[in-house]
Amino acid sequence: EVQLLESGGGLVQPGGSLKISCAASGFTFSSYAFNWVRQAPGKGLEWVSAISPTGRSTFYADSVKGRFTVSRDNSQSMLYLQMNNLRAGDTAVYYCAREYYGSGSAFDIWGQGTMVTVSS
Amino acid sequence: EVVMTQSPATLSVSPGERATLSCRASQSIGSNLAWYQQTPGQAPRLLIHGTSTRATGIPARFSGSGSGTEFTLTIDSLRSEDSAVYYCQQYNNWPPYTFGQGTRLEIK
Repeated sequence: EVQLLESGGGLVQPGGSLKISCAASGFTFSSYAFNWVRQAPGKGLEWVSAISPTGRSTFYADSVKGRFTVSRDNSQSMLYLQMNNLRAGDTAVYYCAREYYGSGSAFDIWGQGTMVTVSS
Repeated sequence: EVVMTQSPATLSVSPGERATLSCRASQSIGSNLAWYQQTPGQAPRLLIHGTSTRATGIPARFSGSGSGTEFTLTIDSLRSEDSAVYYCQQYNNWPPYTFGQGTRLEIK
């Protein structure tokens, strides 16, 4: 079964750091680009970051640029998002999502999400 | 950045009828548009990509159309399980990928 499973969310103080993970299974992980998309409570979807199949190319939303770092380990079929200098506005469910075909395509597989809460 | 605007914000339709959801892009995005369905507490699910291609397992009741800046998602023969929030997304001019604010579909 094709599946993405996020983990690592939790409560963190403003200014703190957190690293969330996404474990992939059921497909050839290294063939696909991936994204992080977040959803604040009661709000819509916001794209956060993207990474190419090799990991050589990464992209970020302006709202997280310089604070978040996306990475991947193709040998372990794992995707990561390192989040530093967290703010209250980063509070959201974070989803990892696979791009359907190469980079610059729709997101066909989504994980169930992991909740990140930034609060003192 | 391409701004995606969805209308209406909320739509209430009776079972068995048709729902028509609209999405407008602030600039031309060709046919690089996707639609997602999100039910409460669940992750989004891809319905349509490339404006009109149904994703795997999506029934023919769901159809997409449009090009350039104006797009439509049509759901025929509405069922109670179609009650959800629907998002459009452009992937023509990225980064950033951008989503519409969503249309909440209620089945009366």
